[in-house]
Amino acid sequence: EAAVTQSPRSKVAVTGGKVTLSCHQTNNHDYMYWYRQDTGHGLRLIHYSYVADSTEKGDIPDGYKASRPSQENFSLILELASLSQTAVYFCASSDAGGAREQYFGPGTRLTVL
Amino acid sequence: GEKVEQHESTLSVREGDSAVINCTYTDTASSYFPWYKQEAGKSLHFVIDIRSNVDRKQSQRLIVLLDKKAKRFSLHITATQPEDSAIYFCAASRNNYAQGLTFGLGTRVSVFP
Repeated sequence: EAAVTQSPRSKVAVTGGKVTLSCHQTNNHDYMYWYRQDTGHGLRLIHYSYVADSTEKGDIPDGYKASRPSQENFSLILELASLSQTAVYFCASSDAGGAREQYFGPGTRLTVL
Repeated sequence: GEKVEQHESTLSVREGDSAVINCTYTDTASSYFPWYKQEAGKSLHFVIDIRSNVDRKQSQRLIVLLDKKAKRFSLHITATQPEDSAIYFCAASRNNYAQGLTFGLGTRVSVFP
């Protein structure tokens, strides 16, 4: 079965601090995505990647960077965490070649104080 | 960019009845429309999808209808069961799936006996 794992599962960060969220997939998928989920906003795409060493901006990239060092790993980096970045973050992966089912990780609950 | 509106924020249905969730989208180039389910405290998982080359798709008790003219699609959950209680998200994307999904805000479905 497809497997996407995220770490940490929850984190409390201070305003202005650096936060790195990690995602690992064992699906052999080329495509990986970072979404955030807020109450009242559903899920919104932050960054995505379709090949190692390359990332693309999604719909809400401001304040976030992404890194894809290998096919299996995709990180989301908050260089200067802010209160507004408190949310649940989901990583997902999908197969190549057009619209396909996405497999989601368990999510990371980030609280910025 | 694409916007997806999910019309029902909550639905309460009696066990055995049908639940219908309606979504509309704005981008005429969107051609892939998946649905995801999120159970309490868990991540999202794929339930069914439809592509723009068909107007109806069924998978067991789930039926998805697509009206491209009206830019509307809907999920019908027939013969509802308690395990259908969850939040359901509709989404849309262009065939260039690398760009990720645009999600609706979600519909909380509660099935009561």
